[in-house]
Parts: sequence; C-alpha cells; structure tokens
Amino acid sequence: ETGVTQTPRHLVMGMTNKKSLKCEQHLGHNAMYWYKQSAKKPLELMFVYNFKEQTENNSVPSRFSPECPNSSHLFLHLHTLQPEDSALYLCASSVPSGANEQFFGPGTRLTVL
Amino acid sequence: GENVEQHPSTLSVQEGDSAVIKCTYSDSASNYFPWYKQELGKRPQLIIDIRSNVGEKKDQRIAVTLNKTAKHFSLHITETQPEDSAVYFCAATISGGYQKVTFGIGTKLQVIP
Repeated sequence: ETGVTQTPRHLVMGMTNKKSLKCEQHLGHNAMYWYKQSAKKPLELMFVYNFKEQTENNSVPSRFSPECPNSSHLFLHLHTLQPEDSALYLCASSVPSGANEQFFGPGTRLTVL
Repeated sequence: GENVEQHPSTLSVQEGDSAVIKCTYSDSASNYFPWYKQELGKRPQLIIDIRSNVGEKKDQRIAVTLNKTAKHFSLHITETQPEDSAVYFCAATISGGYQKVTFGIGTKLQVIP
C-alpha cells in the first residue's frame, strides 16, 4: 500500500491495556485527521492536526490521546478504553488549505474486551 | 455545529438503472462537498466533489448537484453496474486553514445484476 498507511490493521485489547495506533503518509500533506467509524453511525471526526499543531478536538474522551511528531506521522494513544470504543479507526491526510480531497488509510479495527 | 443528513440508508437498484442519494446540511459556512465510496473492507475513496460556487458537476456516469439556498446536495449514478455496489458517504466541509468535515451516515447501494 502507498499513500496513507496504518498499523496495526487489527487490535484486540483489554480495558486496562495501553496501546497506540500509528498512521503514516507519504503524500507530502500537512493536515492529518483521526476518524472513528462505528456501525450505523456517520464517520466521526476526532482530531485534526495542521502543520503538527492540533486544531480540532471534537469532545473526544481523554482516554484517546493523539500525537503528531511531524507532518508525516500521527499516533493515537489508547488507555483504559471501554467496549463501546470498539470501532474502525481511520486516519486521513490532505493538503492543509482549500477544498481538497482527504486520503484515507485502511484503518485499524479495534476491539475492546 | 454542522449536521449532515443523508438518505436513503439503503438503496437497491437493477443494473442499468439510476441511483440517487440525497444529503442536507445545516451550516451555511460549509463550502466543499465531497462524496466518498467505501467498498466492503476497504478505505473510503473520493469519487466526486463540488465546491460551493458550482451548482453541478459531472464525471462520466456520476454527477453531483448542489443547491446552496436549500442546503442540499445529491449524487446521481446513471447506468449502474454491479461494481457500483458499496457504501456512499456525503460530507459537508468547512475548509480554510484545515478541513472540518462532517459526514452523512452513509447509503448502502446494492446493484442487482
């Protein structure tokens, strides 16, 4: 796969675990996004980073902690999650300004036991 | 915040027929309206988009219309083929320094051969 990659593709974790999701893009974009995709719900925007600065946090619980060390990498640190956090977590990137396409990664399927 | 409503949630058509999916949005600041297609187990991919200064856009069998006054936009697929079967998401975007995207709930389109 090229463009936007995500690891791991599947993750099963207990409620007391700590894990991290990783996203990497090779498109030269400077805006990166985390989305949550649950069954029967719209894609939910969680966080936006623009030139490594967090510009949007859509009232996401603190058990989700994003990190953007540079414009190519984005992490989502997870701790003490709940079963209802089980979902597909998608990363996306875009050029930062103007009306432009977002490029999505393949997602991480997260199951919280 | 922005609210995007999409309908129908499921749509079955015979191969060769047309399919129409409709969305409404609430925030007049939204200025970019992409449509994404997500095949089973795959990432969402942009199929067509329209900016707020345009009323209609067409790309082969796919067209999108936008009515800013009424705050609604629609996707039209003509001469549907089995490979068009997927979930389609509309989105309303406020784009400036970065994109704040609100997605519709998705429409599962099934094209029956």
